[in-house]
Amino acid sequence: DAGVTQSPTHLIKTRGQHVTLRCSPISGHKSVSWYQQVLGQGPQFIFQYYEKEERGRGNFPDRFSARQFPNYSSELNVNALLLGDSALYLCASSTAGQGMDTIYFGEGSWLTVV
Amino acid sequence: GEDVEQSLFLSVREGDSSVINCTYTDSSSTYLYWYKQEPGAGLQLLTYIFSNMDMKQDQRLTVLLNKKDKHLSLRIADTQTGDSAIYFCAEWNTGFQKLVFGTGTRLLVSP
Repeated sequence: DAGVTQSPTHLIKTRGQHVTLRCSPISGHKSVSWYQQVLGQGPQFIFQYYEKEERGRGNFPDRFSARQFPNYSSELNVNALLLGDSALYLCASSTAGQGMDTIYFGEGSWLTVV
Repeated sequence: GEDVEQSLFLSVREGDSSVINCTYTDSSSTYLYWYKQEPGAGLQLLTYIFSNMDMKQDQRLTVLLNKKDKHLSLRIADTQTGDSAIYFCAEWNTGFQKLVFGTGTRLLVSP
């Protein structure tokens, strides 16, 4: 069975540009969450979506947005990129986005902003 | 508040046991997770424990939870060089529907 898949795996963008990252959850999972992991730190929560509705939002600026599609895949969009947005962006998949669910992560998308 | 703390580094010899410690502060925590991250990779779920449990064992892994002190530990028996990685403790914050991670403990296993 396929795990959580993310694309692209690596990308380089210039300051001010826009980026779209994609995530496909494990089959049967209806919740997708996004986390940002800056080098040397633990992941920080950005968004959680369940059944196409935003259920939670972390302390990130409005430049960050996301959505979930009817097939439960998700996109994370970041506008007006800053150097500080360089990080590993992780997608997490779970059945219903609750604590008792088993929460699985993908391999991440490495974003470098130059 | 929400804060998860871990020691930064642990070094052990192959075959020894490793104990990675974590403290958390959110009293509403329900589930606590351990993830492993190898260089350049994502997070691999190792195990998790519900906050009304004291212990959970899964093959070489043993999780101990002291809810009174908000202390969580992960013991790896017979540690192997392949266990070298960063280990993250995370608590599920029910109010904000998110995982709150520690800064990670880098485990180095020497032959």
